[in-house]
Amino acid sequence: GNSVTQMEGPVTLSEEAFLTINCTYTATGYPSLFWYVQYPGEGLQLLLKATKADDKGSNKGFEATYRKETTSFHLEKGSVQVSDSAVYFCALSRLGNYGQNFVFGPGTRLSVLP
Amino acid sequence: SQTIHQWPATLVQPVGSPLSLECTVEGTSNPNLYWYRQAAGRGLQLLFYSVGIGQISSEVPQNLSASRPQDRQFILSSKKLLLSDSGFYLCVCDRGAHGYTFGSGTRLTVV
Repeated sequence: GNSVTQMEGPVTLSEEAFLTINCTYTATGYPSLFWYVQYPGEGLQLLLKATKADDKGSNKGFEATYRKETTSFHLEKGSVQVSDSAVYFCALSRLGNYGQNFVFGPGTRLSVLP
Repeated sequence: SQTIHQWPATLVQPVGSPLSLECTVEGTSNPNLYWYRQAAGRGLQLLFYSVGIGQISSEVPQNLSASRPQDRQFILSSKKLLLSDSGFYLCVCDRGAHGYTFGSGTRLTVV
């Protein structure tokens, strides 16, 4: 079946440190891949996405590249800020019986210290 | 703009008690709505899907049910909660070409 695996954390970094959150997936066909972020007290928000192999999604300094050969979609940021503290979810979407359905990873909690 | 209101944010309920989680959507008509659950250490799992009033599809068999009494209202229920119903419940709205909008979630603890 379809599944998403990501490092569960928590991850604690100092401000301006480099961030990598690993994500790998198992899927039939060619899913789209996403990173969602949940800030404290808020709902999930789309951070970035990639719809085909070798696509790079980017937003707010975050990047992730769709690697079909390694079935990965690792999230990176060169210099994190305190405001990046949140829970990050890797996800894929697959075409189900009634449209696109999501499969999410367990989420990775990131804490950035000043 | 479109928003989703989901409540309550946290809930502690005894085993065997009933459950009602409500989700309402603003800023759109005839949305496709979903209920997802994240159990401890697992990813979000699709529970129910609704394409309109009174139309509910279930992805997995479980102790829960869902209803769509109004176009913008989606309710998750249970007559008798089990310990295994504990988790994080998320209401999601499909905006078609505009992507998805997510509620803030409800953390349910069954004791």
